Amino acid sequence: AQSVTQLGSHVSVSEGALVLLRCNYSSSVPPYLFWYVQYPNQGLQLLLKYTSAATLVKGINGFEAEFKKSETSFHLTKPSAHMSDAAEYFCAVSGAGSNYKLTFGKGTLLTVNP
Amino acid sequence: ETGVTQTPRHLVMGMTNKKSLKCEQHLGHNAMYWYKQSAKKPLELMFVYSLEERVENNSVPSRFSPECPNSSHLFLHLHTLQPEDSALYLCASSQDSRGSAFFGQGTRLTVV
Repeated sequence: AQSVTQLGSHVSVSEGALVLLRCNYSSSVPPYLFWYVQYPNQGLQLLLKYTSAATLVKGINGFEAEFKKSETSFHLTKPSAHMSDAAEYFCAVSGAGSNYKLTFGKGTLLTVNP
Repeated sequence: ETGVTQTPRHLVMGMTNKKSLKCEQHLGHNAMYWYKQSAKKPLELMFVYSLEERVENNSVPSRFSPECPNSSHLFLHLHTLQPEDSALYLCASSQDSRGSAFFGQGTRLTVV
């Protein structure tokens, strides 16, 4: 079985501030982990993914995430928020025992204040 | 040309209507998915097709009927829906069973 918990359904930051979106996972096998972003009335766009290579993963738009096995975490960060980063962010996990099944968290809505 | 294209983008239908959602992927992927996204709920996987065979059906009511005629096309046939079926329906594709999923822009369905 696998699951994802995103801490905080809504995060608000000022433009230029650090963005930190939290994700903890549960998986009985080594996981693949993903972060997706969804803009209003759009589908999901892949930001980055971890597939058991480097634990620090760099994605698009200046985002990165670090896989920490001891903490079962995969938090998403960006050093300096832009207004265009305002969107909903989803963490997801894929396990070897659940072919084709991505399990998503409930999402975190990021607001960026001027 | 976008990787995964869904039509229509918006659909309003009555509870007695029959309609279909269409998804087309131009990425050469082997697997295609239907997800349902309702307000304040996690994304729900509905169906998965791999090489045109259904490999996952997450206890979806029979009023939703998928069809995958080839690896590039996926349909979701709808009939006698309920108002609670109103949601954003997302199609996705991936290269393999653990690969990154690429999503379409979704169909916003409203059942009246």
